[in-house]
Amino acid sequence: GIQVEQSPPDLILQEGANSTLRCNFSDSVNNLQWFHQNPWGQLINLFYIPSGTKQNGRLSATTVATERYSLLYISSSQTTDSGVYFCAVQTNTGGFKTIFGAGTRLFVKA
Amino acid sequence: GAVVSQHPSRVICKSGTSVKIECRSLDFQATTMFWYRQFPKQSLMLMATSNEGSKATYEQGVEKDKFLINHASLTLSTLTVTSAHPEDSSFYICSSLGPLNSNTEAFFGQGTRLTVV
Repeated sequence: GIQVEQSPPDLILQEGANSTLRCNFSDSVNNLQWFHQNPWGQLINLFYIPSGTKQNGRLSATTVATERYSLLYISSSQTTDSGVYFCAVQTNTGGFKTIFGAGTRLFVKA
Repeated sequence: GAVVSQHPSRVICKSGTSVKIECRSLDFQATTMFWYRQFPKQSLMLMATSNEGSKATYEQGVEKDKFLINHASLTLSTLTVTSAHPEDSSFYICSSLGPLNSNTEAFFGQGTRLTVV
């Protein structure tokens, strides 16, 4: 099946710093999403981005579908940005499903 | 975005008993829902795809007799963990795609933290 790899696995930032999270996927996908999982486990939809670039406040994302990767940018990080960021791709091979990467665990220090 | 509600958020049960988890789409109809399992500090693993009015499709390695899925209506899917054991303790999350004829953005419930003692 399709493989989704995220990097880095762990990231520690000083408040105010910028960062880039990467998601590589091994095959063509229908769509791609970025999520933030908060400490209570809730998955927060950040971006639905099968291709192109989107921005939402301090966050932005870019997906280059032809090269099978996506990037999530966090600017001016805040302590509330801490948590796990997941990339998930949607494929229709063997039935429609959403497959998650292993996540990037981010900790922002005050 | 679409709202998916999951209940209960937390449950503790005795070993050998069964636990039912509900997943509802609140403002749209969902012909397909998905059930995931997440162990501590790990990613979400797809367990099964729940189809309204038909049998669920289970991923390889998931015991269909242990994790019973019922999708009896367009707004409700249930996951029943039967004869639960401590190793079934985990975080279970359901999801649904957005409203019919929309894009395929996935929305997730709040999750259920199951502890089997």
